[in-house]
Formats: sequence, C-alpha cells, structure tokens
Amino acid sequence: KQEVTQIPAALSVPEGENLVLNCSFTDSAIYNLQWFRQDPGKGLTSLLLIQSSQREQTSGRLNASLDKSSGRSTLYIAASQPGDSATYLCAVSPISSGSARQLTFGSGTQLTVLP
Amino acid sequence: SAVISQKPSRDICQRGTSLTIQCQVDSQVTMMFWYRQQPGQSLTLIATANQGSEATYESGFVIDKFPISRPNLTFSTLTVSNMSPEDSSIYLCSVVGAGSSGANVLTFGAGSRLTVL
Repeated sequence: KQEVTQIPAALSVPEGENLVLNCSFTDSAIYNLQWFRQDPGKGLTSLLLIQSSQREQTSGRLNASLDKSSGRSTLYIAASQPGDSATYLCAVSPISSGSARQLTFGSGTQLTVLP
Repeated sequence: SAVISQKPSRDICQRGTSLTIQCQVDSQVTMMFWYRQQPGQSLTLIATANQGSEATYESGFVIDKFPISRPNLTFSTLTVSNMSPEDSSIYLCSVVGAGSSGANVLTFGAGSRLTVL
C-alpha cells in the first residue's frame, strides 16, 4: 500500500527566504506526482504535476523535482512571500493509472511566511 | 482546466439532520470524485460519482451514509446523512481533466466546510 509522508509538518520562515518542502513515497511505481496548495478552510489548488518520466517542473517561483528511484519529491519556493502561507500537499497516483480514484495524499506541510 | 463550483461553501448543522452538497463543473467530465478532509488530516476519497449508475464507494464509506447522484456529466451531489459531530469536515468535489502537460490533472472545488453540533 502506498504511503506518502511530508516533512516537516509545519514550517515558519521570514519573508524572502528560499525554502524546500519534502515529500516521500514508499512505492516508486508511480504514474505521476502532483503538488497542491490549500488555504485555510478552502479547497485545493493544483500547483505542479510531474510525470514519472520527468525530473522537474517549474512554474514561476516554484520548482518541483522528482527522484522516483529514491521515492522523493521536493517543492522549492524561491523568494518566499507572506502570500505563500498555506498548506502544501503532495499526492501520487500509481503506475498505469491516471485515475484519481487511487491517488494517495500526504498529510501536508503548513507553511507560514512572516513579513 | 475545468472550473468547479461547489455549494454550500460552509454550513452549521444539527446532529441527526442531512445536508446535500452540490458540485457543478463548467465542462463535461468523465470522472468526478468526492473527498473528505477531517480537521488536521489529509484527504480521503469517499467515492467516485458515475454518470448513469451507482457511485463506487471506497472502503469505510457506504451509500446509506453518503448517497451520491450524478445525473449528467457536469453535475453531482453528495449527501451527508444523519450527521454526527464526527462528520464535521471539509467535503471536496474533484474532477480529472487535461492539464497543460496533457496529463490527467486533478482539479478541486473550493470545498464545503461542515460543522455538526
């Protein structure tokens, strides 16, 4: 059974810092990995999706990497801003299936960027 | 990606009552899902809403407690029946659509935050 772990559970940084959020998964046979952002009491916003054949994806100040063999992904946030404060979740889907039915979510990292 | 409208955005309910959450998508989608997020927890899939047939429930979730309708390819409802305080959660509707990469990207509604007293 796939298990997804996110460390740390919470992180507080001053504005302007670069930071890295970690996601690890136990079964490397994945189809893709997706990073989401969730604001308090709200739904999820998809940030980046990495296919199993890819090493990284970039969107603005965000860069997500994937090392499938070691079961790890990182989300790098450059020049953090108070508006980046949210919970960041990663989720993986198993190989041969893009079906969200089998998506496994991590428990998230709660990020606070202090002004 | 698809735009999802979910309502109500939040509600406070009395124990023993039922509440229906609606999910409207701006385009036809094949796969639509309902998730639950209990306080401080990650997301758990409740069921897959199938158009024209009964929903497919995950382990630990049953139709009597969470009846689901999917009358067409753009709309679904989830009912939380006979609510108890343990049902206090955020309920999220999601769909799979083609992202910019061409892959199956999961898109979520804003969620419905239920508090059961």
